[in-house]
Amino acid sequence: GIQVEQSPPDLILQEGANSTLRCNFSDSVNNLQWFHQNPWGQLINLFYIPSGTKQNGRLSATTVATERYSLLYISSSQTTDSGVYFCAVVKKTSGSRLTFGEGTQLTVNP
Amino acid sequence: SAVISQKPSRDICQRGTSLTIQCQVDSQVTMMFWYRQQPGQSLTLIATANQGSEATYESGFVIDKFPISRPNLTFSTLTVSNMSPEDSSIYLCSVTGGPYEQYFGPGTRLTVT
Repeated sequence: GIQVEQSPPDLILQEGANSTLRCNFSDSVNNLQWFHQNPWGQLINLFYIPSGTKQNGRLSATTVATERYSLLYISSSQTTDSGVYFCAVVKKTSGSRLTFGEGTQLTVNP
Repeated sequence: SAVISQKPSRDICQRGTSLTIQCQVDSQVTMMFWYRQQPGQSLTLIATANQGSEATYESGFVIDKFPISRPNLTFSTLTVSNMSPEDSSIYLCSVTGGPYEQYFGPGTRLTVT
């Protein structure tokens, strides 16, 4: 199966700081998504980004499919950004089955 | 994007019993998926449920333990059978909203005592 590695595993920031989360994957993909899991367990879709760059407010993401990695940028972090950020991919030959990375636990302190 | 609801949102069950989790979508979808998230872990796909056919289970998951129904294009159930404390997890259903993009329900938080 496809391997999905996220780094760093844990990140602690002061409010207002910027951060970059990375996702490496081991094979060609049809889909790459970034999710935020809030403290109540809800998975929130951040980006659907199999390639290219997207921005949504303080968040942006870039996927370089040829080099098999994606980056999630969080600017001017807020305490509500705390939670786990997951990268998940669909391998090109595996239908629609999502494979998740282990996640990055982000804590933003006031 | 699809709006997905799950019932129950949480439950505490005794070992040896079974729990059926419902997943309802506000639009017709071809594929529905069931995931498990054990405490402190990432999400793992349990099975893919297509309407009108048997569910397809991932390695390590079997139909006797996790029977799935998919009676129509907007609804599915997952049963966790003969539960043990190791089954304590969040169970989530998801659907595809486009060719590959997936959306998740709010999850069912299960604790087995």
